Amino acid sequence: AQSVTQLGSHVSVSEGALVLLRCNYSSSVPPYLFWYVQYPNQGLQLLLKYTTGATLVKGINGFEAEFKKSETSFHLTKPSAHMSDAAEYFCAVTRGGATNKLIFGTGTLLAVQP
Amino acid sequence: NAGVTQTPKFRVLKTGQSMTLLCAQDMNHEYMYWYRQDPGMGLRLIHYSVGEGTTAKGEVPDGYNVSRLKKQNFLLGLESAAPSQTSVYFCASSYGTGTAGLMDGYTFGSGTRLTVV
Repeated sequence: AQSVTQLGSHVSVSEGALVLLRCNYSSSVPPYLFWYVQYPNQGLQLLLKYTTGATLVKGINGFEAEFKKSETSFHLTKPSAHMSDAAEYFCAVTRGGATNKLIFGTGTLLAVQP
Repeated sequence: NAGVTQTPKFRVLKTGQSMTLLCAQDMNHEYMYWYRQDPGMGLRLIHYSVGEGTTAKGEVPDGYNVSRLKKQNFLLGLESAAPSQTSVYFCASSYGTGTAGLMDGYTFGSGTRLTVV
């Protein structure tokens, strides 16, 4: 069975500091991995995805993530946090196949301090 | 381009009442999903559909029913609401199967906030 673990339900950084949100997955087959962002009272928006090919993927708003198979990780980073990055971030995994069901992590709430 | 539209956006129900949540997408997506979001638990899959006329159970299906009579609509029903069903419900859709179906990920609606008292 697939699962996703997000370490740290709350992360706080200062504006301009590095953002690092951790995601580890468990999957018996090569996974497809996603990061979604949810701003207050809104739906989820796709930040970036890894399906095949290059293991370092770049997304919107300056975020990127690296797929590391040996560490079963897909951590999300941004070099310099902005106040507008404050939101909840979800990592998700799927094996694809006939249903493409996404399994979500429990989320990490990012706070950005001025 | 509307994407995925959920109605209603808010609803308060009394225990035992029934209601239907509507999800409509205009992207000609084959696959549709219903999730519930609860604090500290992320999103959990309730039911999903891989095409018109088909539905299947997800992770937490008890107390819910769904129907997909038209490709663009996916309905979630609560026959007898319980306080444990207080949650935010999200509908999502995707293009279809395989890698091509995942290239754009899921498109989510803006959610329905349901309170059962």
